[in-house]
Amino acid sequence: QSALSQPASVSGSPEQSITISCTGTSGDFGGSNFVSWYQQHPGIAPKLIIYDVSNRPSGVSDRFSGSKSGNTASLTISGLQAEDEADYYCTSYTTSSTLVFGGGTKVTVL
Amino acid sequence: QVQLMQSGAEVKKPGASVKVSCKASGDTFSIYYVHWVRQAPGEGLEWMGKINPTGSRTTYAQKFQGRVTMTRDTSTSTVYMELSSLRYDDTALYYCTGGRLKQWLADWGQGTLVTVSS
Repeated sequence: QSALSQPASVSGSPEQSITISCTGTSGDFGGSNFVSWYQQHPGIAPKLIIYDVSNRPSGVSDRFSGSKSGNTASLTISGLQAEDEADYYCTSYTTSSTLVFGGGTKVTVL
Repeated sequence: QVQLMQSGAEVKKPGASVKVSCKASGDTFSIYYVHWVRQAPGEGLEWMGKINPTGSRTTYAQKFQGRVTMTRDTSTSTVYMELSSLRYDDTALYYCTGGRLKQWLADWGQGTLVTVSS
């Protein structure tokens, strides 16, 4: 199973909005909405920030939003802040009942 | 919410096996799917497999088929991941993670560093 495709890096200035894409095959996304996004700061375990395409767990800032169209999912961070500088990973639950990760995107706040 | 506590760091020789444990606290663990995810130094996250709440079904990534075994002891709320025929490129931080639904990685352990070295 190949990884989902994400840009290696995305950058933006404070208060700007950025979008990270996550592209796979129809088998990767399985026609379902089981796409999640994770934020990982250096040396710390990942944190779930979006589940089932567009839902935020309790306590996650509403500056994070998710969407999906066809075989591409997207994570948008609005009002970019210094604390958002981290690595971001998408996952999808596949038709084979496996999970597949994206390669990860490093977000830099300029 | 479930808290996941993993066993300590391991150093193994090539060809050996390693077994990492993940003990849960929290009353929802009985309906909890557990996944194992690893991260090599400086690399991204890699999914290895999952085990269902009763421990009766496992699903492994094709890459690890034949080398990984995940088991679950419901009496002690502990899940185990054993990886055999270790290679140098198995050196990584191994996380247990999971949630109430099979597609969720809502809670994470602290990670267990496995180093493969001669």
